[in-house]
Amino acid sequence: GESVGLHLPTLSVQEGDNSIINCAYSNSASDYFIWYKQESGKGPQFIIDIRSNMDKRQGQRVTVLLNKTVKHLSLQIAATQPGDSAVYFCADPASGGSYIPTFGRGTSLIVHP
Amino acid sequence: EAQVTQNPRYLITVTGKKLTVTCSQNMNHEYMSWYRQDPGLGLRQIYYSMNVEVTDKGDVPEGYKVSRKEKRNFPLILESPSPNQTSLYFCASSSDTPTYEQYFGPGTRLTVT
Repeated sequence: GESVGLHLPTLSVQEGDNSIINCAYSNSASDYFIWYKQESGKGPQFIIDIRSNMDKRQGQRVTVLLNKTVKHLSLQIAATQPGDSAVYFCADPASGGSYIPTFGRGTSLIVHP
Repeated sequence: EAQVTQNPRYLITVTGKKLTVTCSQNMNHEYMSWYRQDPGLGLRQIYYSMNVEVTDKGDVPEGYKVSRKEKRNFPLILESPSPNQTSLYFCASSSDTPTYEQYFGPGTRLTVT
């Protein structure tokens, strides 16, 4: 079936750098996406979402970009901090019509002090 | 405090011994789901429930059962656990809102020997 997926399993950055985590999706009918953060030993936690009528959405130090033409979205974290070290998932909440997310495999972000 | 709770957090059991992992949410959410998380495979949905007495299979339902007799509870039942069910399990809930944000429990680490 159609699903979301992430480009890289691991991303290493220096503290203070900006991080970009990418995600591709295949369902052209997908109209809503969520990014989750999962810290070690914890369950995933909602970071930010975006609807298909938007190209960009900003939160606190995070920005999500959506390119519907190439079916790609990215999560940008500004001034990455050690506390940002976690696994990041993009999700398509409406996949299969269930309105419960299908998750990609995740990208592990490692922030070096 | 709004939360999803799971019990037990850790469980070691033997093949064939029936077990139940409980899940409870205090946010009056209609939607609940169970996921398993395995290295390299990410989060995979086991079962979900759209409302009381309404449950449906996710991506990997074999070997699992669920029930939704009350809105707040969504137990996961393994009638005859096998070693391939050794995994990290997460329960999640979401409300019928435009965001479909999922709230996750802390996880249950299950080992079947």
